[in-house]
Amino acid sequence: NAGVTQTPKFRVLKTGQSMTLLCAQDMNHEYMYWYRQDPGMGLRLIHYSVGEGTTAKGEVPDGYNVSRLKKQNFLLGLESAAPSQTSVYFCASKRLAETDTQYFGPGTRLTVL
Amino acid sequence: RKEVEQDPGPFNVPEGATVAFNCTYSNSASQSFFWYRQDCRKEPKLLMSVYSSGNEDGRFTAQLNRASQYISLLIRDSKLSDSATYLCVVGRGAHDMRFGAGTRLTVKP
Repeated sequence: NAGVTQTPKFRVLKTGQSMTLLCAQDMNHEYMYWYRQDPGMGLRLIHYSVGEGTTAKGEVPDGYNVSRLKKQNFLLGLESAAPSQTSVYFCASKRLAETDTQYFGPGTRLTVL
Repeated sequence: RKEVEQDPGPFNVPEGATVAFNCTYSNSASQSFFWYRQDCRKEPKLLMSVYSSGNEDGRFTAQLNRASQYISLLIRDSKLSDSATYLCVVGRGAHDMRFGAGTRLTVKP
């Protein structure tokens, strides 16, 4: 049982390049989330999904797109990376119950030059 | 003003000490409350949920004061392994969790 995994672990991009971050979970969780974590700030929600084929915007969605074609996978895309998107990105998943905890992946460190 | 505020620390305490962290939140409609622990360059992990009646898990005690809109975490008999950043998390709804920036704790021998 791997839990939540993220690919890649590290990435360096040039401004304007695109990339996709992959999150996978093997816990059969309904809900999945993408956050970013910046120094001096708490984690902020980018997008989330309440089920296969559905996505919704979080607190800071601009510049990102997401897709959830399979229940176990949640993709985060950057179409045209900007230095302001340099951050650590965490994926999380959660079961159906509202009060359940979120389980986080190990994170992806992204630098945009 | 941040929705969830925490003293960033660092708190440097000797082994065996008792240390307390507070967290304040601004949205009075918040519904759920948690403390997460985050080790350096690792992912956050749930430490404990926080209930109105207060709850305890071993050396850790969490309290919630809805009237004053703050949450506290008390760690007794600190261990070296307690060194980490502690994140206060407040839920506005099922999918809207607001994270504090964290309080850093270092426990020294």
